Amino acid sequence: AQKITQTQPGMFVQEKEAVTLDCTYDTSDQSYGLFWYKQPSSGEMIFLIYQGSYDEQNATEGRYSLNFQKARKSANLVISASQLGDSAMYFCAMREVVQGAQKLVFGQGTRLTINP
Amino acid sequence: DAEITQSPRHKITETGRQVTLACHQTWNHNNMFWYRQDLGHGLRLIHYSYGVQDTNKGEVSDGYSVSRSNTEDLPLTLESAASSQTSVYFCASSEFPDRGLRTEAFFGQGTRLTVV
Repeated sequence: AQKITQTQPGMFVQEKEAVTLDCTYDTSDQSYGLFWYKQPSSGEMIFLIYQGSYDEQNATEGRYSLNFQKARKSANLVISASQLGDSAMYFCAMREVVQGAQKLVFGQGTRLTINP
Repeated sequence: DAEITQSPRHKITETGRQVTLACHQTWNHNNMFWYRQDLGHGLRLIHYSYGVQDTNKGEVSDGYSVSRSNTEDLPLTLESAASSQTSVYFCASSEFPDRGLRTEAFFGQGTRLTVV
């Protein structure tokens, strides 16, 4: 079963608009972490934002915020005031502890294109 | 500065050959991961490790092996390379979070492997 689901293969947004990238996850653990990474065309993986399962407030990092709805098991990334440089692949990931080892799994990604 | 490096960055090999991809991190992280990235599949977990002598299979471990003899290194071996293993491979490392602290995974630059 897919642990992390990103249902939007591609998104097209006008510059300066806000954009929401969807992510749902599946776990029976009480303690887990959720991440978003950005991968530009150059290929490197850039960490954007993190949300712990026990965090009561939604995480924010500059223009990035994470809309964490624990009961719905969703962790959507919101980018405010999008810029041309935001065009990239975006990956949602979940960290669980499995038999003492940390396991980090990713979704299939969403390709975001910002139009001028 | 601490870092995580992969080598080689690019490799072409022939079907049936054994290939080893290196991953070295200086973060002193206990957790290390290997992923493959293919179009439409995001990052898929191959193997993960928590500490020396601990290794675990991920979602797509068939045809791959790892061994962890020290904290810094987690080499990935393709026992008998197949064309289906042509991919971009990423190594990552992370640490367990203390409650209230985030610890993102840090990624290497990736290795592009072509099996002909």
